[in-house]
Amino acid sequence: GNSVTQMEGPVTLSEEAFLTINCTYTATGYPSLFWYVQYPGEGLQLLLKATKADDKGSNKGFEATYRKETTSFHLEKGSVQVSDSAVYFCALTSPGGSSGSARQLTFGSGTQLTVLP
Amino acid sequence: EAQVTQNPRYLITVTGKKLTVTCSQNMNHEYMSWYRQDPGLGLRQIYYSMNVEVTDKGDVPEGYKVSRKEKRNFPLILESPSPNQTSLYFCASSLSWRTNEKLFFGSGTQLSVL
Repeated sequence: GNSVTQMEGPVTLSEEAFLTINCTYTATGYPSLFWYVQYPGEGLQLLLKATKADDKGSNKGFEATYRKETTSFHLEKGSVQVSDSAVYFCALTSPGGSSGSARQLTFGSGTQLTVLP
Repeated sequence: EAQVTQNPRYLITVTGKKLTVTCSQNMNHEYMSWYRQDPGLGLRQIYYSMNVEVTDKGDVPEGYKVSRKEKRNFPLILESPSPNQTSLYFCASSLSWRTNEKLFFGSGTQLSVL
């Protein structure tokens, strides 16, 4: 089955530091890949996505590149801010096993990021 | 404002006492889903619904029931809650099952079963 493995947290950085959160996956076929972010006390929000190999998703200064050869989708940001403190989830979706089946998201375990001023 | 609304936000109950967590969306979305979030395990899907009267099991459906009588509502029912169902629950919706990767999430329901 599908699975997503994220680097374990928590991650603590100073403001303006460089961020990398590693994500690797196992999936059949050609999955789409996503990063979701969960701010304290809120539900998850889609941060960025990539739907085919070598695609780069980007949003709010965050980037991630779909690497099929290494089955990875690492999240990066050049200069983090205190407001980036949140839990980040890597996820994938692939077609259901039969006609009409819903695409289902498989989430990683999440990485807690804390940015200190 | 487009949103997914869950109630209650916090719930403490005792083993065996039936409860319902409500979920409503105002975006005319076809697809709705329930997840539970546990430390170190990420989000796991409980049940999902591709449209009215169409529901199916996710990865961890045991001990839960759902119904989809109307497009906007997708309640989660625990007929006989047990302590291992203590968790943070999220409802989510999407325009259709074909686009379910862009999910809109509710703010969550923290459930404690004593």
